[in-house]
Amino acid sequence: QLQLQESGPGLVKPSETLSLTCSVSGGSFNNITHYWAWIRQPPGKGLEWIGSIYYSGSTSYNPSLKSRVTISVDRSKNQLSLKLTSVTAADTAVYYCARHGTIGTLYDWFDPWGHGTLVTVSA
Amino acid sequence: DIVMTQSPDSLAVSLGERATINCKSSQSVFFSSNNKNYLAWYQQKPGQRPKLLIYWASTRESGVPDRFSGSGSGTDFTLTISSLQAEDVAVYYCQQHYSIPITFGGGTKVEIK
Repeated sequence: QLQLQESGPGLVKPSETLSLTCSVSGGSFNNITHYWAWIRQPPGKGLEWIGSIYYSGSTSYNPSLKSRVTISVDRSKNQLSLKLTSVTAADTAVYYCARHGTIGTLYDWFDPWGHGTLVTVSA
Repeated sequence: DIVMTQSPDSLAVSLGERATINCKSSQSVFFSSNNKNYLAWYQQKPGQRPKLLIYWASTRESGVPDRFSGSGSGTDFTLTISSLQAEDVAVYYCQQHYSIPITFGGGTKVEIK
């Protein structure tokens, strides 16, 4: 059964770079030809798609964040990562990684999701 | 961007009664080449991650109770819980995956009356 687990610092200072990792178990990037996504949820608010990456490395980002976001995949470690630069308090959120539901398509629902990790931006 | 608007923001329903959640997209999410609506529904219980309930607007995910159903096409969609159970207390989100950026509705909180 595929499982996703986010990890990274829970506190980041304003103007610095947020870096998170999502470890995938129960499957291999080399054998799972899906897109993988990062999604965030500010406390008490709704969901925002950050961007997605294909197992091969091609990416698609939300235009609202595109200038600050980099998503990458390390197939040898079965991990995907998220970097968000120049963070502000508005970037405080629970960050989820998730797999797109269908093989080979970006235009997709998300399933499964990781448990999420809270990142607070504060000095 | 396609804007997803859910209504109501919250609703309180008695146990065993029907709960109806609406989701409206700012443009059609129906793809005529495969006759599918690119619309999904999620349930998020307090302190938990979102869980996929429905995809293609009306296809129930494996393991989801049949009291949950999705309907609609084009720009107007509905999630119905036919007989509300205590474990259904949650926030429900719709999501379009017709175009990039993928967008979600603002959520509807379902509580017990």
